[in-house]
Amino acid sequence: GAGVSQSPRYKVAKRGQDVALRCDPISGHVSLFWYQQALGQGPEFLTYFQNEAQLDKSGLPSDRFFAERPEGSVSTLKIQRTQQEDSAVYLCASVQRNTEAFFGQGTRLTVV
Amino acid sequence: AQRVTQPEKLLSVFKGAPVELKCNYSYSGSPELFWYVQYSRQRLQLLLRHISRESIKGFTADLNKGETSFHLKKPFAQEEDSAMYYCALRVGNYQLIWGAGTKLIIKP
Repeated sequence: GAGVSQSPRYKVAKRGQDVALRCDPISGHVSLFWYQQALGQGPEFLTYFQNEAQLDKSGLPSDRFFAERPEGSVSTLKIQRTQQEDSAVYLCASVQRNTEAFFGQGTRLTVV
Repeated sequence: AQRVTQPEKLLSVFKGAPVELKCNYSYSGSPELFWYVQYSRQRLQLLLRHISRESIKGFTADLNKGETSFHLKKPFAQEEDSAMYYCALRVGNYQLIWGAGTKLIIKP
């Protein structure tokens, strides 16, 4: 596809369950970002990849959050032992160089 | 501290009226600012960036370093402008700091 693709679009998880959120960036885009967007808030930075290297993970809220991009394309954000406060929309964005960020539709995670 | 403030959560104006969406920032470095828009059921997309000084869909935004503002303006609002608008500040090489967003509603 031409754009950034995220799956699933919606995920309901029971508290304590592990989840994995997938991001397919635009082909050839070197940089990939994950954001967390709580209801009524702007996106908040989680982590940044340049190719397969995770250069910044300072925004990950706890060690339950883990992200990887092993081959420098598809990325997965994993949340272990989900808590209710993890409920949010998780956005992925990819960037060609230092230009415009292209966003996916997001994954809405609800922890019950 | 690095911060972006959008003081209005909701702004409602009539079609044809002028629109101004406010954005203030706090940053000690040289700011690079953006406006992103999210139409209903669509993804976030770039509207404009201050360094390109362009006008997109009739919107303009001027960086005012003295007032640390980057307000988004349009002289005559159209119904299709109804959307969520986010102001963002680039810090360092890649990080974006985002405002909480303003929901713009254009009344017919």
